[in-house]
Amino acid sequence: AQSVTQPDIHITVSEGASLELRCNYSYGATPYLFWYVQSPGQGLQLLLKYFSGDTLVQGIKGFEAEFKRSQSSFNLRKPSVHWSDAAEYFCAVGPFNTDKLIFGTGTRLQVFP
Amino acid sequence: GAVVSQHPSWVICKSGTSVKIECRSLDFQATTMFWYRQFPKQSLMLMATSNEGSKATYEQGVEKDKFLINHASLTLSTLTVTSAHPEDSSFYICSASRDRGPGANVLTFGAGSRLTVL
Repeated sequence: AQSVTQPDIHITVSEGASLELRCNYSYGATPYLFWYVQSPGQGLQLLLKYFSGDTLVQGIKGFEAEFKRSQSSFNLRKPSVHWSDAAEYFCAVGPFNTDKLIFGTGTRLQVFP
Repeated sequence: GAVVSQHPSWVICKSGTSVKIECRSLDFQATTMFWYRQFPKQSLMLMATSNEGSKATYEQGVEKDKFLINHASLTLSTLTVTSAHPEDSSFYICSASRDRGPGANVLTFGAGSRLTVL
């Protein structure tokens, strides 16, 4: 079955600390992978995506993610977190020929000063 | 960049009434739009795929008579929650697909509409 797992429901970090949000997927075909961020009461904003090529992708707001096929993972990282990064983060996987993304359950990030 | 507008951003209605939510692609044509429902602190659940000029495709378990979707133009899709009940209270989000082909499988999301049914 196709699925996305985000093992960490809630993560708390101090401002300036590094961050890694985990994402594992189960998908029968070549996956297209995405990370989205959602601020409270808002829609989703695309942080970055992976379709092919370099397995380390750079996104907006200083985020990056690495696709590891052998581990079926697409973890999101940021070297130094800012207070404004506090939000809900969703990993998603989708097929090439449709836009029907499968979302993980999200990871809520709290940032302490 | 691609922008998707949702309206209203929040709505409160009485039980038994119907509520319409609009999703507009402001600067591009969207042949396909998607409607999601998000419960508090949970992920997005795809409700249906809205295709311009044809009937929407509903996901399993979604009542098509309860959630009416119309995609009358390339820039507008509407979701009507009919005879709303308190259990329909939720955050509804739409997204639009701009293009097809390699590297184009990127959705633009609206800011969401919070429905509260009293």
